[in-house]
Amino acid sequence: EADIYQTPRYLVIGTGKKITLECSQTMGHDKMYWYQQDPGMELHLIHYSYGVNSTEKGDLSSESTVSRIRTEHFPLTLESARPSHTSQYLCASSQDKPQEKLFFGSGTQLSVL
Amino acid sequence: AQSVTQLDSQVPVFEEAPVELRCNYSSSVSVYLFWYVQYPNQGLQLLLKYLSGSTLVKGINGFEAEFNKSQTSFHLRKPSVHISDTAEYFCAVSAMPSGGSYIPTFGRGTSLIVHP
Repeated sequence: EADIYQTPRYLVIGTGKKITLECSQTMGHDKMYWYQQDPGMELHLIHYSYGVNSTEKGDLSSESTVSRIRTEHFPLTLESARPSHTSQYLCASSQDKPQEKLFFGSGTQLSVL
Repeated sequence: AQSVTQLDSQVPVFEEAPVELRCNYSSSVSVYLFWYVQYPNQGLQLLLKYLSGSTLVKGINGFEAEFNKSQTSFHLRKPSVHISDTAEYFCAVSAMPSGGSYIPTFGRGTSLIVHP
């Protein structure tokens, strides 16, 4: 059922590198989200978007940035990766109604050495 | 602001035993409530949701949950678990703050471990 894709699935990178985590969905959803997931912790919202050219920061402060130039694409960029950025990043999308479920990608496990 | 508390970080249980995963929420407005499941190395997928009406909600894989407004709870239950139910379970709430928009808030998850 899932029509939302994240790449890469795993990424190991050195400190200071610039990285982009890709997220695409084919469902035409207006709303897209990035969550950060650490073991035993809440899923923390770091960015979301209502549609093209609309992006907002979430409740967890993050040094990452996002863009939404096309409806289906919502990439997340870290200009200079640090070990504190090591985490699982989950992308999701939904229709713009609160009762609608979120569709999640399989996640990107990022490790910064 | 809204928040979700999942009281148990880990719930071990034997196969075919019943299980309950607890979830409490806080919100100053009406809410929609969700349970998601995350199998190893996969994204989250919806188990069930409460929007309105009957407080007992049935979902996939034999799970059900009961909305209790007075106790602000939405506990997840299954009468007989299988090994394949071993996964991480997340409770989530979606509400509209005054003048704002719906952004889902998730709990920290409960790891259900089913032993043979």
